[in-house]
Amino acid sequence: ETGVTQTPRHLVMGMTNKKSLKCEQHLGHNAMYWYKQSAKKPLELMFVYSLEERVENNSVPSRFSPECPNSSHLFLHLHTLQPEDSALYLCASSPKLADTQYFGPGTRLTVL
Amino acid sequence: QKEVEQDPGPLSVPEGAIVSLNCTYSNSAFQYFMWYRQYSRKGPELLMYTYSSGNKEDGRFTAQVDKSSKYISLFIRDSQPSDSATYLCAMSDGATNKLIFGTGTLLAVQP
Repeated sequence: ETGVTQTPRHLVMGMTNKKSLKCEQHLGHNAMYWYKQSAKKPLELMFVYSLEERVENNSVPSRFSPECPNSSHLFLHLHTLQPEDSALYLCASSPKLADTQYFGPGTRLTVL
Repeated sequence: QKEVEQDPGPLSVPEGAIVSLNCTYSNSAFQYFMWYRQYSRKGPELLMYTYSSGNKEDGRFTAQVDKSSKYISLFIRDSQPSDSATYLCAMSDGATNKLIFGTGTLLAVQP
């Protein structure tokens, strides 16, 4: 595997489900990010990690919970989501903070 | 006022045309400018990266930054149907953790 990978690529869940999104980067980068992409809106930065420490949390509802066990892996735990949370969730990594970011293919999430 | 403004399109051009994609911004502290290309159902892919003002060329692509006007452009020469995608501009001041993205312009190159 090369670059940034994300699993699953598609996810359909009910509002009471708990699920997790996984991201893995094979680039040796130190910073990782979660973004939400909704139709006709700019990418929304959700969380930023640098060397496994969270450095930014952009007023994201607590039903989204990130986890970064090491510099290569990033998770987004989902619990009691709302239909308006349906979107493409993108993971990115960069060599260091404020550096150029490289994106994964995204997880298309649908909340019923 | 949004920090970054980008016309969402769609922009439809015939194959072989020169395409001009643009973004304007309001924060004069931005000094790093990027263009990403995003195909349908894929993540954004870094296309061009420039620092400060000036031009940068890579094959059929030219990125242009005019900091005095707070305006950046991406030119695509001899456009191909495979260039059909959404093009996102992004910028950073290099100090914060954030890239600020435009909404993206949807480009369709007709064969």
